[in-house]
Amino acid sequence: GAVVSQHPSWVICKSGTSVKIECRSLDFQATTMFWYRQFPKQSLMLMATSNEGSKATYEQGVEKDKFLINHASLTLSTLTVTSAHPEDSSFYICSAISRLDTQYFGPGTRLTVL
Amino acid sequence: SQQGEEDPQALSIQEGENATMNCSYKTSINNLQWYRQNSGRGLVHLILIRSNEREKHSGRLRVTLDTSKKSSSLLITASRAADTASYFCATPQGAQKLVFGQGTRLTINP
Repeated sequence: GAVVSQHPSWVICKSGTSVKIECRSLDFQATTMFWYRQFPKQSLMLMATSNEGSKATYEQGVEKDKFLINHASLTLSTLTVTSAHPEDSSFYICSAISRLDTQYFGPGTRLTVL
Repeated sequence: SQQGEEDPQALSIQEGENATMNCSYKTSINNLQWYRQNSGRGLVHLILIRSNEREKHSGRLRVTLDTSKKSSSLLITASRAADTASYFCATPQGAQKLVFGQGTRLTINP
């Protein structure tokens, strides 16, 4: 089946630094990718829709200047958490839409901000 | 925003028993999907049921959909320890966005 990877799988950083998370569709092209955030024991909350070649669409309440999304190619979207703070610590999950409109999820990236 | 509620929030049963989880949603849908998430991992797609379907089976999974009540249920029969995970329902919002329910944390005790 289709595979979506994320890198890194976990990251620990100091408060104030920026962290970049990559989401790749390994065996299919994805014009659309999604970024979700999941706090412990909670559900996934959609942060933004990443569209190849255009600006991302952010959900209400998500700061676009803090969570920078770049969908540079049909197989790669990146999420950069700028000036990270402890409250940004979370599990970040991406998904990619295949040409058959099936959504495949990455394994997630655990971000811990000290 | 969350589409709806799932219940129970947590369920603990003995291996071999059946597990039933329920999901309610608020808006009209074209389909409803169920996902499994092992602790600290990504999501695995389990099953999709379309709005014109009332019941669907996949192995030990049975999903029902009642569009008049805006609810769905996931039944796992003959549960196994490996079924321990969180289970989420999700409904499409717009063309491709998925909105997830709050999830049910299922624990299968050996």
